Amino acid sequence: GQQLNQSPQSMFIQEGEDVSMNCTSSSIFNTWLWYKQDPGEGPVLLIALYKAGELTSNGRLTAQFGITRKDSFLNISASIPSDVGIYFCAGETSGSRLTFGEGTQLTVNP
Amino acid sequence: DTGVSQDPRHKITKRGQNVTFRCDPISEHNRLYWYRQTLGQGPEFLTYFQNEAQLEKSRLLSDRFSAERPKGSFSTLEIQRTEQGDSAMYLCASSLNTPGTRGGYTFGSGTRLTVV
Repeated sequence: GQQLNQSPQSMFIQEGEDVSMNCTSSSIFNTWLWYKQDPGEGPVLLIALYKAGELTSNGRLTAQFGITRKDSFLNISASIPSDVGIYFCAGETSGSRLTFGEGTQLTVNP
Repeated sequence: DTGVSQDPRHKITKRGQNVTFRCDPISEHNRLYWYRQTLGQGPEFLTYFQNEAQLEKSRLLSDRFSAERPKGSFSTLEIQRTEQGDSAMYLCASSLNTPGTRGGYTFGSGTRLTVV
């Protein structure tokens, strides 16, 4: 089945630093999505990417859909304490199911 | 509309008991999805509905699991004869899927199931 490899598994950074995380897949996806999940809550959509090569920003967040359609990255600039959480990438092929990565746990030290 | 609602938020049950969870999607959304998430992992797809039709089921959905969306609005997920391995967060999501629309799902806050 499809698998997404997300890295790094965890990151410990100082407030104000920039962060980068990425996902790679052995399969092609038509859509890449990035979610953030706080403890005890469901994932919240951050950015959606629909076209190979697309670069999209949402405030301090920037994400790109890889040209091969098998990878994506998410950057967070000037991190703040409320950026703490687990970040998931997810790929979609047929408009139905999402395949999620294993998540990147981000810790921001004030 | 306040988003996707799931009830209960937490459920503790004894092994062998049956449990049922409810999901109320965003009202205008025609698709409804169920995912399961275990600790330290990303959500895994279980099943989804378009209106009242169940269109896809994962192999994770054993015969002890059944999901319904009888009127194309709310959905229930039932687990019969629960096992300790069923302990997980069960997430519901909904989306509007029509020609020309795009968008990621909106997830609910989940139901945390603990089987003791």
